[in-house]
This record gives sequence, C-alpha cells and structure tokens, in this order.
Amino acid sequence: DQQVKQNSPSLSVQEGRISILNCDYTNSMFDYFLWYKKYPAEGPTFLISISSIKDKNEDGRFTVFLNKSAKHLSLHIVPSQPGDSAVYFCAARVLIQGAQKLVFGQGTRLTINP
Amino acid sequence: DAGVIQSPRHEVTEMGQEVTLRCKPISGHNSLFWYRQTMMRGLELLIYFNNNVPIDDSGMPEDRFSAKMPNASFSTLKIQPSEPRDSAVYFCASSRVGYGYTFGSGTRLTVV
Repeated sequence: DQQVKQNSPSLSVQEGRISILNCDYTNSMFDYFLWYKKYPAEGPTFLISISSIKDKNEDGRFTVFLNKSAKHLSLHIVPSQPGDSAVYFCAARVLIQGAQKLVFGQGTRLTINP
Repeated sequence: DAGVIQSPRHEVTEMGQEVTLRCKPISGHNSLFWYRQTMMRGLELLIYFNNNVPIDDSGMPEDRFSAKMPNASFSTLKIQPSEPRDSAVYFCASSRVGYGYTFGSGTRLTVV
C-alpha cells in the first residue's frame, strides 16, 4: 500500500530549462508535504515543504505546487543546473502520538544535461 | 552539531549471520526513525520511536528484524538471521516536532 507515489523513476532535463517532478498521494490526513534531495552515498536532505492549507510555496529556484482536490503535488526547478542532478523524494507528514511520521515516495532520479 | 551518526557505513555479511546497525540521533531530538531504501519502494519506514518508546513498528518486514532505543542517544536495528533480500541501504533519522528530519549517511548492507 504505497500512500505516496512518484511514478517517474527518472527524468532528464537540459541545463537552464525547467524540471518538473510529480508526486501523488492517497491519504487525506497528511498535513504537510516535503521534498528531499539525495546525492549518492549521502542521506536525504530537506529541500522545500508546503502546508496542506497552501497551494504554492517558493524558495529561490524551487517552487512546490499542491493540488489537494487531485491529491497531487509537483516540484518545479527553474532554471535547472548540473548540481541539481540527484534523486528527489516526495514525502507526506502525519502526526501520530506526538511524533511526526513522514511517508516517502519511491524517488525520481533527475539528471541535468549540460 | 555532528548530525545523525550511523555505523557502520558498509556491512558485508554472510546469509544467516546476525547484523546490528547503530544510530546516534541529534541531541535534543525526541523522535528517531529507521528507513530502508530500495528501488521498488523508495524510502520505506521500518519503525519509529518517540521519547525512546516504539510508536509504530508495522513497517518491520519480519520477525527477523528488531529495533531498540535504550536511551535518547542510541538506537540499534538488528537482523537475525540475515538474508540476501535484506541487502539495501538503511537510514536512521531524528527530529523534533515542528522541525524536519535529519538523516544519517546510511549503512549499506550486503548479505551474500
């Protein structure tokens, strides 16, 4: 039962263009959505998040959009840079017994071509 | 702040052997999580603790897996006996409510 799904295992984008990574979820109890970035041989690191009461959050080159009715969120990176090449994980948060539990998707490997 | 510290970084073991993965969370964080990364399922939550108490272990794949958190600064994930299908990267993360997770660098486990 995969509550958070990233249906594209990989994405290749030209440097300078826009990268769009997509994520779908099934659980309406999620209250926050996050994107993590992972380089090889390192742990995932936090990139950007959005509250379930918002539909857009922007931080520099990174923007996350949330469509609650469709249970869909996306991460836009513009312009894309070679250093953005990494695996991106979508995550959704639910609070249980005083702890925040993050449910992750399968990840999308983004490659930025020079 | 040294971050979340996991050991060992790499572990190669023979099928049937016991494997113990270790994690030291960030001081002051009251939640600790064990994840396993696989190609099929991405980052899969195995178990998490809040204030050293296991909250949800429904992600632990089998009875061969067990986790403990004897105090706020240390946790272990044990696999006994190990099998080749347990080969994966295992991550530990810690957090406190209102703040994001901080992940360790992971332990790459290979069971041959």
